[in-house]
Amino acid sequence: GQNIDQPTEMTATEGAIVQINCTYQTSGFNGLFWYQQHAGEAPTFLSYNVLDGLEEKGRFSSFLSRSKGYSYLLLKELQMKDSASYLCAVRDGTSYDKVIFGPGTSLSVIP
Amino acid sequence: EAQVTQNPRYLITVTGKKLTVTCSQNMNHEYMSWYRQDPGLGLRQIYYSMNVEVTDKGDVPEGYKVSRKEKRNFPLILESPSPNQTSLYFCASSLSDSSSYEQYFGPGTRLTVT
Repeated sequence: GQNIDQPTEMTATEGAIVQINCTYQTSGFNGLFWYQQHAGEAPTFLSYNVLDGLEEKGRFSSFLSRSKGYSYLLLKELQMKDSASYLCAVRDGTSYDKVIFGPGTSLSVIP
Repeated sequence: EAQVTQNPRYLITVTGKKLTVTCSQNMNHEYMSWYRQDPGLGLRQIYYSMNVEVTDKGDVPEGYKVSRKEKRNFPLILESPSPNQTSLYFCASSLSDSSSYEQYFGPGTRLTVT
């Protein structure tokens, strides 16, 4: 079967660091995405990992371990505007380029 | 401006009345896809297309049709809509080469079927 898990909700304080985890079990694997989605808006791309390790992009970093079926998104120096849903998604790879999204993590940043 | 456009943005319709939601992108992307988003279920892929005349089913294709006659357009067709297709629909596109699979999403179409 195919399954992607993320925590449903998280709360963190402005200026802090938060780590959002994602675990996956899919038929194939061709890479993992993280997207940000503000309420009422379309998702926007944050990162794409296909190899193991950490990729850093400004305040956001994404980590992948293919052997563990695990990824995390790290947000540093949290700002109020980071309050949003964070979506983990996997490119399945066994059926052309099917993309499977997790349920999303709703992050609330509080003062 | 590089973008994905969808029309209409909002639609209320009745059961059984055929409808089409259009999607167009101006980035010359090969890959296009349709998703629906429902509370608690996240984004689920309906259909995707690797290029013109190449389409495949996602996880929830039942009740939907698509076509890809031109590279820029990827319409979603509901031949006989039912209330369980009430949802928020997103179209997305991306390049197909391995350097960038970033998907660009349209603004969404909120569909209500009564």
